[in-house]
Amino acid sequence: SSELTQDPAVSVALGQTVRITCQGDSFRSYYASWYQQKPGQAPVLVIYGKNNRPSGIPDRFSGSSSGNTASLTITGAQAEDEADYYCNSRDSRGNHVVFGGGTKLTVL
Amino acid sequence: EVQLVESGGGLVQPGGSLRLSCAASGFTVSSSYMNWVRQAPGKGLEWVSLIYGDGRTYYADSVKGRFTISRDNSKSTMYLQMDGLRPEDTAVYYCAREHTITYGDYGGYWFDPWGQGTLVTVSS
Repeated sequence: SSELTQDPAVSVALGQTVRITCQGDSFRSYYASWYQQKPGQAPVLVIYGKNNRPSGIPDRFSGSSSGNTASLTITGAQAEDEADYYCNSRDSRGNHVVFGGGTKLTVL
Repeated sequence: EVQLVESGGGLVQPGGSLRLSCAASGFTVSSSYMNWVRQAPGKGLEWVSLIYGDGRTYYADSVKGRFTISRDNSKSTMYLQMDGLRPEDTAVYYCAREHTITYGDYGGYWFDPWGQGTLVTVSS
């Protein structure tokens, strides 16, 4: 079982803002990273560290953290943002990696 | 260009063995944190194993004692030797480079890039 908990599915109207959350004790020591995965493709990093975007990731993607909850926010969701999103961190042991169960984002 | 390319997947019977390879280009494998992550059909991402630049290795409980991670620095290639394969090991296996940063009391880890994945099917 995953030590990071995500809602299985979230929907958002085109152009609106959506927040995808990830809960876990890891976030009291580590920042989350976030990945977007479209069907048949490898995951792609969208947010890492305190709130950093890799080159090529639109600035509508942002990250935040409070207590044991990390969040990925998409401000002005686009049709191409429809995908599965996974959070990731190290666990309490520090040398093991954990992923959330994933959130399927539907853009209506 | 920083890139990872996996190979070695295929169909294997339960109890069998397989060795996956991950060829890296554009960076030095020997000084990087390198990981294997898998994804069973229709399921989420599951971490499998990690090898540090100093050679320390770690495994998920689900594969410990059956899988072995290693690397050949001269070939810029990482491997995953999988023995005692079970049907539940059926998945796409990805390799990924892990990065880290420290902000005071906080740490951050992330995977980038990822390979394209290689499918392992364990079935009789």
